[in-house]
Amino acid sequence: DSGVTQTPKHLITATGQRVTLRCSPRSGDLSVYWYQQSLDQGLQFLIQYYNGEERAKGNILERFSAQQFPDLHSELNLSSLELGDSALYFCASSVDGRASYNEQFFGPGTRLTVL
Amino acid sequence: EDQVTQSPEALRLQEGESSSLNCSYTVSGLRGLFWYRQDPGKGPEFLFTLYSAGEEKEKERLKATLTKKESFLHITAPKPEDSATYLCAVQARSNDYKLSFGAGTTVTVRA
Repeated sequence: DSGVTQTPKHLITATGQRVTLRCSPRSGDLSVYWYQQSLDQGLQFLIQYYNGEERAKGNILERFSAQQFPDLHSELNLSSLELGDSALYFCASSVDGRASYNEQFFGPGTRLTVL
Repeated sequence: EDQVTQSPEALRLQEGESSSLNCSYTVSGLRGLFWYRQDPGKGPEFLFTLYSAGEEKEKERLKATLTKKESFLHITAPKPEDSATYLCAVQARSNDYKLSFGAGTTVTVRA
């Protein structure tokens, strides 16, 4: 158990809908990262938040957005869903995104299926 | 753009048969190279971080090494419970702290 929690575990929805994925980082970790894992793309970085502020952006679609709250939990919002958005979405956390000592610990993931 | 290539894609081993996995990388200044283990449908589990060429780290039957262009994950006398996908990732010395992952090597160890 990495200490990172994600809810829900599974999500099945229809095209065009909007969903919210939730992540709670390990106790004491200030940075939260979101990754998408699909069969054809592997693990792809989406976005990073550090202590409530956006720190870095990767290949995140405009239909997707995220935020980190004062209690450091994070939410990833996916809207206007398409079939191709079906994937595993992982959250990871680390102590401090700026330091050399920067191991990222991953949650169990949310499996999103868009029908 | 950072690139990580892992080989082979799949590896089938007999229990006790040692082998090595390769991770070749291209990055504009390496901050760290990370190894993770991932079981089907689960989140990646952190194994090692390597920071500089020549560094080695060990954990049970696993040993990771790093050169300026590649990293190796050696599995010594594997057991069936070592079956998993092993992922390599690099983090560049840049303003973002993302991990760029390789596609992984799926290891199957038969009893």
